[in-house]
Amino acid sequence: EPEVTQTPSHQVTQMGQEVILRCVPISNHLYFYWYRQILGQKVEFLVSFYNNEISEKSEIFDDQFSVERPDGSNFTLKIRSTKLEDSAMYFCASSEASGKNYEQYFGPGTRLTVT
Amino acid sequence: DQQVKQNSPSLSVQEGRISILNCDYTNSMFDYFLWYKKYPAEGPTFLISISSIKDKNEDGRFTVFLNKSAKHLSLHIVPSQPGDSAVYFCAASASPGAQKLVFGQGTRLTINP
Repeated sequence: EPEVTQTPSHQVTQMGQEVILRCVPISNHLYFYWYRQILGQKVEFLVSFYNNEISEKSEIFDDQFSVERPDGSNFTLKIRSTKLEDSAMYFCASSEASGKNYEQYFGPGTRLTVT
Repeated sequence: DQQVKQNSPSLSVQEGRISILNCDYTNSMFDYFLWYKKYPAEGPTFLISISSIKDKNEDGRFTVFLNKSAKHLSLHIVPSQPGDSAVYFCAASASPGAQKLVFGQGTRLTINP
């Protein structure tokens, strides 16, 4: 069964450093998403991406964050200058289309630890 | 942001019995609801969904009920199996676009043999 994959599974970085989290969505999916879950809190939406541009973003997704689809398979989330509060599980998801009856499928996540 | 709430942080059910997980929402614009299951160190796995035009959707052992007037949905698992032990998240989205999923806090379900 096709699945979303994410690398690395765990990333440790120092405050102020840039990190890039990588995702390979399901191959025939057109919509891509990033979510995060801070320990003990809800899963929160960050951004959605379609047709090589951001289609929706949350207030969390400020200028420190960016997303890119550098080739036909990868989807990346970059955090320019990490803060301690960026420590969280980051989940990539993809869906065939947008709207009702199009479920989002999630990857296993990248645990980001900022020290 | 409390638009989607799962008021029970945990639930313990005996194997073979019915598990009922509940979810409430406040945003009347939500028109699509999903349940995800999550094991430790894995991402959320899609289980079942329901559109606001329906009040019930069934898939094998899983049934989701939607009560729009009460802004309440529930997930029934019957019979419960040990492999069902996981954290269950309710999520909702609103048209148009329906891209952003808003999640509840999750309920940890434990199935006891």
